[in-house]
Amino acid sequence: GQSLEQPSEVTAVEGAIVQINCTYQTSGFYGLSWYQQHDGGAPTFLSYNGLDGLEETGRFSSFLSRSDSYGYLLLQELQMKDSASYFCAPPSGDKLTFGTGTQLKVEL
Amino acid sequence: KAGVTQTPRYLIKTRGQQVTLSCSPISGHRSVSWYQQTPGQGLQFLFEYFSETQRNKGNFPGRFSGRQFSNSRSEMNVSTLELGDSALYLCASSITQGPGPFPNYGYTFGSGTRLTVV
Repeated sequence: GQSLEQPSEVTAVEGAIVQINCTYQTSGFYGLSWYQQHDGGAPTFLSYNGLDGLEETGRFSSFLSRSDSYGYLLLQELQMKDSASYFCAPPSGDKLTFGTGTQLKVEL
Repeated sequence: KAGVTQTPRYLIKTRGQQVTLSCSPISGHRSVSWYQQTPGQGLQFLFEYFSETQRNKGNFPGRFSGRQFSNSRSEMNVSTLELGDSALYLCASSITQGPGPFPNYGYTFGSGTRLTVV
């Protein structure tokens, strides 16, 4: 089966750095994806870690440790537009299994 | 390059009716997945099609069905609608051909169909 844990909500101020953690238990592990979803919008692919280590894409970075079944999404230089829900989603077979998501609120 | 197109965007149906939702994937993408999103259950996988074949199915009742056409467009159908079927239905397309190494550009989601059952 699949099990994913993320914090339900995180609040940070504009310009700060925030880390959203994800722990997982899943069979047939092929890596960890991260998606962003604004209210009323579609989930948007942010990053994918197939191997251990850090992947950097602009202000966003994602980290994976397969031995610890743990990953995180790091958002730097937070902007108001980063207020959204963030989902970790390990692809498994032909589908994505989404965590419950972390709602990030960026404040002035 | 056109994105994933879902129609209609909004739909209101009555309990007991049936509904058909449509999804046109990105050109060249042969995998189409469907997800249901509700406040209480989050994003849940419904099914996935690749080259007109259903390869994977989530834990939903048989009232939920789908199909994929030769041009990769997909439809999902929900029969005998219940109030609990009210949700955002999202379609995602991918060039993925199967399990294993995952493309680093992920799945592309459509804007969804907001279904309200009254």
